[in-house]
Amino acid sequence: GAGVSQSPSNKVTEKGKDVELRCDPISGHTALYWYRQSLGQGLEFLIYFQGNSAPDKSGLPSDRFSAERTGGSVSTLTIQRTQQEDSAVYLCASSVGLAGVQNIQYFGAGTRLSVL
Amino acid sequence: QKEVEQDPGPLSVPEGAIVSLNCTYSNSAFQYFMWYRQYSRKGPELLMYTYSSGNKEDGRFTAQVDKSSKYISLFIRDSQPSDSATYLCAMEDKNSGYSTLTFGKGTMLLVSP
Repeated sequence: GAGVSQSPSNKVTEKGKDVELRCDPISGHTALYWYRQSLGQGLEFLIYFQGNSAPDKSGLPSDRFSAERTGGSVSTLTIQRTQQEDSAVYLCASSVGLAGVQNIQYFGAGTRLSVL
Repeated sequence: QKEVEQDPGPLSVPEGAIVSLNCTYSNSAFQYFMWYRQYSRKGPELLMYTYSSGNKEDGRFTAQVDKSSKYISLFIRDSQPSDSATYLCAMEDKNSGYSTLTFGKGTMLLVSP
């Protein structure tokens, strides 16, 4: 596709429910990243994938958060038993590679998650 | 001390003004520097990418890096209302075999007509 695509663009859920967020990266980009952006805060790194592997999961806030990537393309971020503090914009980015100029990251528009 | 410091603003200027946005950092291993622009309810978009110390110009935008002072700047000439957005600096550590970017919190810029 032309850019990074994320769905849904908005998600409202009740506390305790599970949600699944989807990211479709730019075709040919091997690296994929998930960030969280809360009101007034910077981008908080969550996890990244090289191909289908996630070498660095250190940013996931708790074991309620998980992510997977299949076929080196689409990725899903799953939040189980959502809490109100999970309310944020979840941003996905992709890059050609992992270092230097190849690590220029291109972002999707994000999924705005509201937990009631 | 946070690795990347950026004044959140908001910074309000009249149309046509020269804008200076800045970030300081503490990690001397940062070697790649980027500026992203984020409009409300949109994802960040890359504006400028620099590697070495010095200036890089692209139209009305100039990115400046001073590695000795651990200080980077983005200058916007002849600012326009359409420049109103949040500007995020981002940095990468070249010594890592792989690396994620470290972002500043962003500076909100408001350009009034």
